[in-house]
Formats: sequence, structure tokens, C-alpha cells
Amino acid sequence: QVQLQESGPGLVKPSETLSLTCTVSGGSISSYYWSWIRQPPGKGLEWIGYIYYSGSTNYNPSLKSRVTISVDTSKNQFSLKLSSVTAADTAVYYCARGSGYCSSTSCYDWFDPWGQGTLVTVSS
Amino acid sequence: SSELTQDPAVSVALGQTVRITCQGDSLRSYYASWYQQKPGQAPVLVIYGKNNRPSGIPDRFSGSSSGNTASLTITGAQAEDEADYYCNSRDSSGNHHVVFGGGTKLTVL
Repeated sequence: QVQLQESGPGLVKPSETLSLTCTVSGGSISSYYWSWIRQPPGKGLEWIGYIYYSGSTNYNPSLKSRVTISVDTSKNQFSLKLSSVTAADTAVYYCARGSGYCSSTSCYDWFDPWGQGTLVTVSS
Repeated sequence: SSELTQDPAVSVALGQTVRITCQGDSLRSYYASWYQQKPGQAPVLVIYGKNNRPSGIPDRFSGSSSGNTASLTITGAQAEDEADYYCNSRDSSGNHHVVFGGGTKLTVL
């Protein structure tokens, strides 16, 4: 059973770079697409971006200028960097495995499983 | 702002049926997936695609879609179904960007 675990600092200063790593266990990272999703306290989910095991990426347009997602298949890990953070970036950050399917008439994507999430607070 | 719109709150009597909806233009082209989130926990996938349930999800959860609206139906709601529910799909850009609905808080009375 695949499990994901986020790790990284829980406190980041304004204007600095938030860095998180997600370790995948119980399965290989060399398939699927691997995603970061965040949730500000008391608010809804926001997709940050994802990376295919091959290294190609796709980012939320509203965050694209500040986001970098990378993958290390040798360690079964993928990582998130978010630069120039402000208090608005305070959130629980989740990593998740993404899957997609297209038929002749439609496509759909889903995220399963998710990591437990890690709270990152931006404050001086 | 989200391209997928959900009612902020819905309530249902114990044992009754409830439908949670998700509206957006992209849903005319893409199916939605649905997640259940309980306080302090990570979201859990309950429905993906047209109407697929992951293993371990009770069959009282089902999904459907019509036009620009996707629906999650819980038939015979249980107390443990009280949670926040989120839909997700692609946006309308054609660039495979993911969007989530704002979430619906389900209260089981």
C-alpha cells in the first residue's frame, strides 16, 4: 500500500523560500504524477502543481512564478519550493499521488493517496 | 476564486439521502472526483470519474454528472459521513490545470 509523508520546516520567514519533501513508500514513484496541494487554515483546497516521474511539470497559473516541483526517483521523493512567501502562504501542505484517465468522450483525474499534511506557518 | 462552485453547507437527517453538487463549465468536458475530509485529517477519495469508488468506500456513496453539474449522492447518510466534501476536475484552459471546488460542509442531523 502506497504511503506518502511530507517533511520540512514548519516555520518560514516572509520573503524566504518554503521547501518541502514528500517521501513515497510502498510503491515506486516511477509512474503516475505527483502533486502538491495546500489548504489555508479554515479554507478550501488549492492545487499547487504536479510532476510526472519523467520530470515534466504543470503548475497552478496563480503560483507558477514562485513554484518549483522536482523529483528524485532514486530516493522515491519529490519536492516543493515556493519562493518569496508571505503570510498568505500559511497553510497545511499535502502531497498526493495523481492519476488520470481519458476515454473517447471525457477525461478525469483523481488524487489518492494523500500524505497526512504538514502545517507551514509564514511569520517573522 | 474557484472555477468549480459548491454550496457551502448542506444538512441531512440520519438515514436519509443527500446530494452534494459541484458546478462549472469544465464539467461539460471532464468528470469530477470527490473527496471527504474530516477535521484534522487529510482528504480521502470517495468517488472518481463517472462513478468509481475506491476500495473501502461504502456503496452508499455514488457519483453522477449532467451538463455543467457533478453530484455526489449519499444514500442512507450515517453519522460518520459528517465532513467537508470537495470536488475536483480540470479547468477550462485545456492545459490540464487542476481545480477544486470550495467545499461543502455536510451536517448529519
